Amino acid sequence: AQSVAQPEDQVNVAEGNPLTVKCTYSVSGNPYLFWYVQYPNRGLQFLLKYITGDNLVKGSYGFEAEFNKSQTSFHLKKPSALVSDSALYFCAVRGSYNAGNMLTFGGGTRLMVKP
Amino acid sequence: DAGVIQSPRHEVTEMGQEVTLRCKPISGHDYLFWYRQTMMRGLELLIYFNNNVPIDDSGMPEDRFSAKMPNASFSTLKIQPSEPRDSAVYFCASSLPTAGGTQYFGPGTRLTVL
Repeated sequence: AQSVAQPEDQVNVAEGNPLTVKCTYSVSGNPYLFWYVQYPNRGLQFLLKYITGDNLVKGSYGFEAEFNKSQTSFHLKKPSALVSDSALYFCAVRGSYNAGNMLTFGGGTRLMVKP
Repeated sequence: DAGVIQSPRHEVTEMGQEVTLRCKPISGHDYLFWYRQTMMRGLELLIYFNNNVPIDDSGMPEDRFSAKMPNASFSTLKIQPSEPRDSAVYFCASSLPTAGGTQYFGPGTRLTVL
């Protein structure tokens, strides 16, 4: 079985400050990890993923995420938040032993960036 | 590429009516997924297909829900009869069969059952 936890329902940050959205996971085998963003009344939009290699992954809109195998975490980060980053963020995982391409999604974290 | 296409974008219907949601995946993507999103339950996987064959439908809520994929470029999710609790946003996503293949989502269909 695979699972994802996003421990914070909401993260509040001031514009210009660094932001972190937390994600921890549990899978069988090696993890394939993803971050998606959802703006109001829109579908989920792919931000970045970790498959293998460098633990620090860079993605769209200046976001990055760090894979930490010992802590089974894949936190999303951005050095300087923008008001336009306010949205719902989902972490997702698939284990390498999972035969299909099925992802398990976390419950989502709402990011609020205030001017 | 146009991305994943879903229709209609909005659907309002009355309880008891049949509803059909449509999806066109990205060309060349072998996997197709149907999700439902509600405030109460978050994002739920309903069913997914590989090469037009349903692989896992354990997320389909009940027999009122059915999904088909008659060819590689088209899938439908049907609810018959619809109930108010089916009101949600339904997303379709598709991906390549590669390890760690990214799922790309459509814009969703917002269904309201009165």
